[in-house]
Amino acid sequence: KNQVEQSPQSLIILEGKNCTLQCNYTVSPFSNLRWYKQDTGRGPVSLTIMTFSENTKSNGRYTATLDADTKQSSLHITASQLSDSASYICVGGGATNKLIFGTGTLLAVQP
Amino acid sequence: NAGVTQTPKFQVLKTGQSMTLQCAQDMNHEYMSWYRQDPGMGLRLIHYSVGAGITDQGEVPNGYNVSRSTTEDFPLRLLSAAPSQTSVYFCASSYSRQNIQYFGAGTRLSVL
Repeated sequence: KNQVEQSPQSLIILEGKNCTLQCNYTVSPFSNLRWYKQDTGRGPVSLTIMTFSENTKSNGRYTATLDADTKQSSLHITASQLSDSASYICVGGGATNKLIFGTGTLLAVQP
Repeated sequence: NAGVTQTPKFQVLKTGQSMTLQCAQDMNHEYMSWYRQDPGMGLRLIHYSVGAGITDQGEVPNGYNVSRSTTEDFPLRLLSAAPSQTSVYFCASSYSRQNIQYFGAGTRLSVL
């Protein structure tokens, strides 16, 4: 069964600190791995897309990594800001780019 | 550049009523899709379109209809609303399935 699992479910960090969010995926055949940021009450916004041949991709303070052998991805946030408070969604792209969405990690950045 | 625009933002329906959720994009994207987002679950695909005149079912299509008469618009119709359709609905568009998807702000629907 195709699925995407994220951990932790929620996380609280202090402003300025770094954090790493985890994603394990079982998507076959696997095409790509995406990370989205969803602010409360808004639609998801794309952060990164990585194909199976890419190991890492950055978007400003966000860096995503992908290990296709272990079927794991992580999203690292550097020097967190209050505006980073949001839900972060991992998405696995499969056959004909069918997308399997995780349930998200809810991040709260406190001053 | 408006991106993906969804209307209305909020809607309350009674069981059995019908309505249309509107979605429009101004990026000339071929691929458009509708998702629903429920607490504790990932986004689930309802219907999608790969271009004007072409639509197909997603993961949870029952109770919904779509059409794509133009590149810009992709409305979602609820035929006879049920409480199980209470959800947040998102429309998304992209150049193709492989590309970045741009989401609208969502429509929050309650069916009483």
